[in-house]
Amino acid sequence: SQTIHQWPATLVQPVGSPLSLECTVEGTSNPNLYWYRQAAGRGLQLLFYSVGIGQISSEVPQNLSASRPQDRQFILSSKKLLLSDSGFYLCAWSGAGEQYFGPGTRLTVT
Amino acid sequence: DQQVKQNSPSLSVQEGRISILNCDYTNSMFDYFLWYKKYPAEGPTFLISISSIKDKNEDGRFTVFLNKSAKHLSLHIVPSQPGDSAVYFCAASHNNNDMRFGAGTRLTVKP
Repeated sequence: SQTIHQWPATLVQPVGSPLSLECTVEGTSNPNLYWYRQAAGRGLQLLFYSVGIGQISSEVPQNLSASRPQDRQFILSSKKLLLSDSGFYLCAWSGAGEQYFGPGTRLTVT
Repeated sequence: DQQVKQNSPSLSVQEGRISILNCDYTNSMFDYFLWYKKYPAEGPTFLISISSIKDKNEDGRFTVFLNKSAKHLSLHIVPSQPGDSAVYFCAASHNNNDMRFGAGTRLTVKP
C-alpha cells in the first residue's frame, strides 16, 4: 500500500532563516505530487505541483520554491522565511482521481 | 480567485440527525468533485467523490449530491455521530492536475 511521509512534524524558525520541508511517497511510482498550505482559519492553498522529476508548476508567486530530485521525493524550500509563511504545510500525492495527504508540518515563523 | 466556495464556516448538529455541508463552484470545467475530512494537526483524508456524469454517490452514512446546473454539491451525513466532528473540505478538479479546495466547514456533532 502507498504511504506518504512528511518531516518535520513541527518547526519553529526565525524570520529570515531558510526552510526545507521534505516529503516522500512509498508504494507507487511516478505519482503527481503537491504542496499545500493551510493558513489559520483558511482553506487549502495549492502552492506547487509536479508531474515528474524536475517538473514543477507554481501556483502562487511567493518566496517559496519546490524541487523534485527523485520520483518520490518532493521538497519545499525557502531562502528567507517571512512571518506570513507560518501555517500548516501539507504534501499530497495522486495517481488518478483522489489526492492522499501526508500528516503535515506545522511551521511557525517568529 | 476562489473557484470553490464553502460559505458556512461552521455547522453544529445533534447526534443522530442529518448533517448537510454545502459547496459551490464557479468553473464549469470541473469534472470531479471530492470531500475530505480533516482533524486538527493531521492531513485531510479522502471521504467520498463524484464525477460529473453522476448526480449522487453514496457510501454508508455519507452521500454526495451534485447539481451541475447550479454548480453546487453537498455532503449528507446521516446519522451524524460525534466522531464526525471535523473540518470538511470540498474539492473540485479538472484533469486531475489542478484540484481546488474550499475554505472548509467545521462540523460539530453534539452528543
